[in-house]
Amino acid sequence: AQKVTQAQTEISVVEKEDVTLDCVYETRDTTYYLFWYKQPPSGELVFLIRRNSFDEQNEISGRYSWNFQKSTSSFNFTITASQVVDSAVYFCALSEAGSNYQLIWGAGTKLIIKP
Amino acid sequence: DGGITQSPKYLFRKEGQNVTLSCEQNLNHDAMYWYRQDPGQGLRLIYYSQIVNDFQKGDIAEGYSVSREKKESFPLTVTSAQKNPTAFYLCASSWTGGGKNIQYFGAGTRLSVL
Repeated sequence: AQKVTQAQTEISVVEKEDVTLDCVYETRDTTYYLFWYKQPPSGELVFLIRRNSFDEQNEISGRYSWNFQKSTSSFNFTITASQVVDSAVYFCALSEAGSNYQLIWGAGTKLIIKP
Repeated sequence: DGGITQSPKYLFRKEGQNVTLSCEQNLNHDAMYWYRQDPGQGLRLIYYSQIVNDFQKGDIAEGYSVSREKKESFPLTVTSAQKNPTAFYLCASSWTGGGKNIQYFGAGTRLSVL
């Protein structure tokens, strides 16, 4: 069963628009972590954020913000005032205590920011 | 600078040939991982190691082998048994334990078959 679902395969917006990338997860563990990574065209994955299951506070970092809602099992990522440099593939991932904290990856969302 | 170094950046394999991808880290991380990424796809775990001289198979270990003789190094060999090796290979490392499990990645190796 797929445990991390990124239903949006590809999103295309014009620069300066806001965009939200969805991530829905499934777990029976009470202790787990959620992650977002960015993969620019160069290929290297860049860590963006980690959230643990006990902290539902939203996080803001510059133009990036994350909304964690346990009630809907979602961990969505919003980019405000998008820029061309935000173009990349974004991956959501889950690690669970019951799986020895191995990362379970979503399929990724390709974000295209048009100038 | 601390980080993860993968080499080579590009690699070509001939039929029946084994090739080895290098991964070195100087972050003093306990755990290291190898992932395979096919075009337009997500990451699939090949092997991982949480301690020196020990490693476990991931989801797609067939046709691959690894060793972990040093904490800093986790080379991946793509054997001739791997019939479709063309892909992007990513190495990662992390601390172990739930509170320290952020994986950091190298720049990757692109493997193609001649």
